[in-house]
Amino acid sequence: DQQVKQNSPSLSVQEGRISILNCDYTNSMFDYFLWYKKYPAEGPTFLISISSIKDKNEDGRFTVFLNKSAKHLSLHIVPSQPGDSAVYFCAARETSGSRLTFGEGTQLTVNP
Amino acid sequence: DTGVSQDPRHKITKRGQNVTFRCDPISEHNRLYWYRQTLGQGPEFLTYFQNEAQLEKSRLLSDRFSAERPKGSFSTLEIQRTEQGDSAMYLCASSLAYGNEQYFGPGTRLTVT
Repeated sequence: DQQVKQNSPSLSVQEGRISILNCDYTNSMFDYFLWYKKYPAEGPTFLISISSIKDKNEDGRFTVFLNKSAKHLSLHIVPSQPGDSAVYFCAARETSGSRLTFGEGTQLTVNP
Repeated sequence: DTGVSQDPRHKITKRGQNVTFRCDPISEHNRLYWYRQTLGQGPEFLTYFQNEAQLEKSRLLSDRFSAERPKGSFSTLEIQRTEQGDSAMYLCASSLAYGNEQYFGPGTRLTVT
């Protein structure tokens, strides 16, 4: 069973525009959510996270929104830059747990 | 400042051979994790250590897999009698004991022929 789902395998946006990456989850025990970025031949790089007690967290060009009632989170990148082109993974962790459960990833391409 | 390092970066082996991978975590991190990633999927949890204690193992970790962290610093992941289905990227991550973020190494790409 896929507890974290990223339904869009790919997303293409123009440089300077907003990129919105979406993630849905089914496990009500998840209380901490993270976004990672991955370039080819490298490990995932931590981007931004959010606790379930918040609905928004912002760090520079990156903002993560959490809608607990809908079990949905999204990552907004504004403005998008060509260097943002990578695979983005959503991950979640259960209360008092350690393991991260990842989605399948979304390939973001930012066109100059 | 050094991040998580993994060795080797690539490994090609014949089916039935044993392989061992090494992970060196960020020095002050006492938790160390192993994940496996196959093409088109996100990383899947295998196991994790707090210091030298192995605290959790996934059902993905068959009896051909064994992980150790003998002195609470670096860790090794051994796969015995490799199968073609073991071909994947093996990722190591580390974190503080009460830290929420896990920091990943570059991974070891295993190809079983």
